[in-house]
Amino acid sequence: ILNVEQSPQSLHVQEGDSTNFTCSFPSSNFYALHWYRWETAKSPEALFVMTLNGDEKKKGRISATLNTKEGYSYLYIKGSQPEDSATYLCASQDTGRRALTFGSGTRLQVQP
Amino acid sequence: NAGVTQTPKFQVLKTGQSMTLQCAQDMNHEYMSWYRQDPGMGLRLIHYSVGAGITDQGEVPNGYNVSRSTTEDFPLRLLSAAPSQTSVYFCASSYGTGTFRRGALETQYFGPGTRLLVL
Repeated sequence: ILNVEQSPQSLHVQEGDSTNFTCSFPSSNFYALHWYRWETAKSPEALFVMTLNGDEKKKGRISATLNTKEGYSYLYIKGSQPEDSATYLCASQDTGRRALTFGSGTRLQVQP
Repeated sequence: NAGVTQTPKFQVLKTGQSMTLQCAQDMNHEYMSWYRQDPGMGLRLIHYSVGAGITDQGEVPNGYNVSRSTTEDFPLRLLSAAPSQTSVYFCASSYGTGTFRRGALETQYFGPGTRLLVL
């Protein structure tokens, strides 16, 4: 069972601030790293899936990087907006398995 | 496509009662899974299935049963409900053949969740 950790647990920023959070995971038997966005009262929605060391993905103002050798991924949000308020989950996937192991998430609140 | 659907949305049970949480998907996904979400603990995998007729245990399988008789449906059964099973339950599915293929990036699609309260 992988141990996936996310930091910080929660974050309060002002509208327009840029922010980033971290996901760390065991690098042995690593296959893929997933990021999900989870709004209150909704179900998690996929943001990115990354597999290669040095991978960088971008969707609008949100981007993510991956370092498989040291076992971490960063999620960046540029110019945060109130609608970015959500919990951001990362999940690691082992070689040979579909099952994901989730971190406990980073809860982001963006104040207008 | 309806995507992943779950019923009921909310359920209250008494300790010792049994019930089935329904999950269905119409995307022809081979892989389906059940998670529970508890405060401060993220999503924990209960059971999963890589295809019809094939199921396996996740991190927290005790007290739950699953079966997969069709590709579309993956019900979760609580055999004898306990207060510790109070949680929000999410079903998820992803595309994939019965055998895990290296190189396949399989995003999971989640249902809306079932909130369960066991008294």
